[in-house]
Amino acid sequence: AQSVTQLDSQVPVFEEAPVELRCNYSSSVSVYLFWYVQYPNQGLQLLLKYLSGSTLVKGINGFEAEFNKSQTSFHLRKPSVHISDTAEYFCATQGNTGKLIFGQGTTLQVKP
Amino acid sequence: DTAVSQTPKYLVTQMGNDKSIKCEQNLGHDTMYWYKQDSKKFLKIMFSYNNKELIINETVPNRFSPKSPDKAHLNLHINSLELGDSAVYFCASSQSPGQTNNEQFFGPGTRLTVL
Repeated sequence: AQSVTQLDSQVPVFEEAPVELRCNYSSSVSVYLFWYVQYPNQGLQLLLKYLSGSTLVKGINGFEAEFNKSQTSFHLRKPSVHISDTAEYFCATQGNTGKLIFGQGTTLQVKP
Repeated sequence: DTAVSQTPKYLVTQMGNDKSIKCEQNLGHDTMYWYKQDSKKFLKIMFSYNNKELIINETVPNRFSPKSPDKAHLNLHINSLELGDSAVYFCASSQSPGQTNNEQFFGPGTRLTVL
């Protein structure tokens, strides 16, 4: 069965510091991977996705992620975070029926 | 604006009541979904419809009944509400599951509180 595991429930970081949010996946079939962001009291917004091709994926708001098949990982990175990046981040994979299977979420808390 | 919209945004009700949440998308998508986000922020699929046909039903209690009058609408009706139904419910839409670019677009959510 497909699944994703987010290894950190909370990540505190100071403004302008780099950040990495970790995600491991488990799948025996073709892998589609996504990172979504949820700002407080809002819906989910797609940050980036990996479907195939280049393993380094660039998304919105300066985020990027690298698909690593040997380590079954899809970690999200940003070289310099802003206060406005404070949010909940979800890694997800997609089943063949189209449903998204989400990780447990990581709370990114950016401190001034 | 092109988007996925949900009504109401907030819903507070008593145990045992019946309530409905509506969802509409004007993106021209064929597939719509309902997800539930619990108090720990965990997101889980509930239902999915493709061209008005149910394609996913993830062992949700029978008290939950989705209805899709057309492919632009997917409503969620909940009978005999229980305390454990309190959550945020998100509607989403996408192109057909078989297509490669199957990004899902989410609505703003409906926060249901059962007292």
